[in-house]
Amino acid sequence: RKEVEQDPGPFNVPEGATVAFNCTYSNSASQSFFWYRQDCRKEPKLLMSVYSSGNEDGRFTAQLNRASQYISLLIRDSKLSDSATYLCVVNMRTGGFKTIFGAGTRLFVKA
Amino acid sequence: DTEVTQTPKHLVMGMTNKKSLKCEQHMGHRAMYWYKQKAKKPPELMFVYSYEKLSINESVPSRFSPECPNSSLLNLHLHALQPEDSALYLCASSQDETGGTEAFFGQGTRLTVV
Repeated sequence: RKEVEQDPGPFNVPEGATVAFNCTYSNSASQSFFWYRQDCRKEPKLLMSVYSSGNEDGRFTAQLNRASQYISLLIRDSKLSDSATYLCVVNMRTGGFKTIFGAGTRLFVKA
Repeated sequence: DTEVTQTPKHLVMGMTNKKSLKCEQHMGHRAMYWYKQKAKKPPELMFVYSYEKLSINESVPSRFSPECPNSSLLNLHLHALQPEDSALYLCASSQDETGGTEAFFGQGTRLTVV
């Protein structure tokens, strides 16, 4: 089983739609959680951190469920510019400290 | 300044060449990382440096040799690479390696081995 799992998609949605991504992680010792966005041929960029209390930034809401070991990202009122790959990232201690990426979920927002 | 700077942006090298990738950050971060990313795949961790010491080597072949000359710089020395090593090499840094803070990525070096 992979340490961090995501549905690779692709998700094809119209502008204005609401779309949700989920990510599960296997190591209960995981410490911190993030969503990154990566555009084609570019580096990953931090979208938002994820907390148990939830985290909202404009149209984006992230949530962590430690009991079920999953994190989610909700995008409301999708824009064309939201088209990208969304990477679930988990920091965990397995001996040393590691940052593990999920496979990424591809989103295409269409006019 | 929240930048991680990588040079060169593109590199083409032969299988007998020796080259180096460079990474620099001036955010005072004490953890620095090398990742390898193949097309349509997520970044894969290669090395972690914490306080200028190598703390994680993810069983990377010895033809990749990391070096951390000081807290702001991270190098990746390349020697006798194979065509399958062609990929985007990403450098990242974070405040420390306790796991609580996000990593900032450089723009990457796109490496082609011929």
